[in-house]
Amino acid sequence: ETGVTQSPTHLIKTRGQQVTLRCSSQSGHNTVSWYQQALGQGPQFIFQYYREEENGRGNFPPRFSGLQFPNYSSELNVNALELDDSALYLCASTAGGETQYFGPGTRLLVL
Amino acid sequence: DQQVKQNSPSLSVQEGRISILNCDYTNSMFDYFLWYKKYPAEGPTFLISISSIKDKNEDGRFTVFLNKSAKHLSLHIVPSQPGDSAVYFCAAISANQAGTALIFGKGTTLSVSS
Repeated sequence: ETGVTQSPTHLIKTRGQQVTLRCSSQSGHNTVSWYQQALGQGPQFIFQYYREEENGRGNFPPRFSGLQFPNYSSELNVNALELDDSALYLCASTAGGETQYFGPGTRLLVL
Repeated sequence: DQQVKQNSPSLSVQEGRISILNCDYTNSMFDYFLWYKKYPAEGPTFLISISSIKDKNEDGRFTVFLNKSAKHLSLHIVPSQPGDSAVYFCAAISANQAGTALIFGKGTTLSVSS
C-alpha cells in the first residue's frame, strides 16, 4: 500500500510568483486536505477536497486554491506569493474516517 | 483564539520512565481526538486516537486519556524510548461537520535520554 506522496520536497520562489504543489493520496483514499505549518506552529487547515469539489476551507485568502483529479490526487496553487507563505505544506488523505494520513510535506521558501 | 492548546513546549524524560503529554481544548463540538508524532523533515505520523464516547484508548506503549468535563486529554508513553524523541501534536476534529478539518495544537517536543 502506497502512502501519501508530495512533490516537490523543497522549493524556492520570490515574492509575487505563483507555485503549484502536488499530492498523491494513499491508495483507496478519496478525500484530500491541505495544511500549512509555519515554524514553531501546528499545521493549519487550508482546505479539503472530496470527489473533486472543495469540501471545506480554513482561514486562508482566495489566492490559495486547489484542485482534485479523478484519481484523487490533488494540487495546491498559491498566487502572488508573500514572504509569510514560507512554510511546510502538508497534504493528508483519508477514506472518509476521522484519521488523516500525512505526506512528507513540501518546504516552500519565499524570498 | 486557539481551540487546541499544548501548554508545554518541551518535555525531557529518561529512558524507561513514563512520558505524559497534555492537551486542552475549548470547543465542545470536538468529538474525536488524535495524537501525531513528527520527526524533522517528515510529515506527521498518526499515533493513536480516541472518540469522545470513550475515556481511554490503549495501543501498546501508548495510552490516551480523555476527560470531557475538563476538556483535557493526555498521552502516556510507557516505557519511554530514545526513538520516541520527536514533536507530538494533539489534534481535534468535529466529525459531524462537512469539510472536517483537524485542529492542531502547537506541539510538545519530547526528548528521551538514555
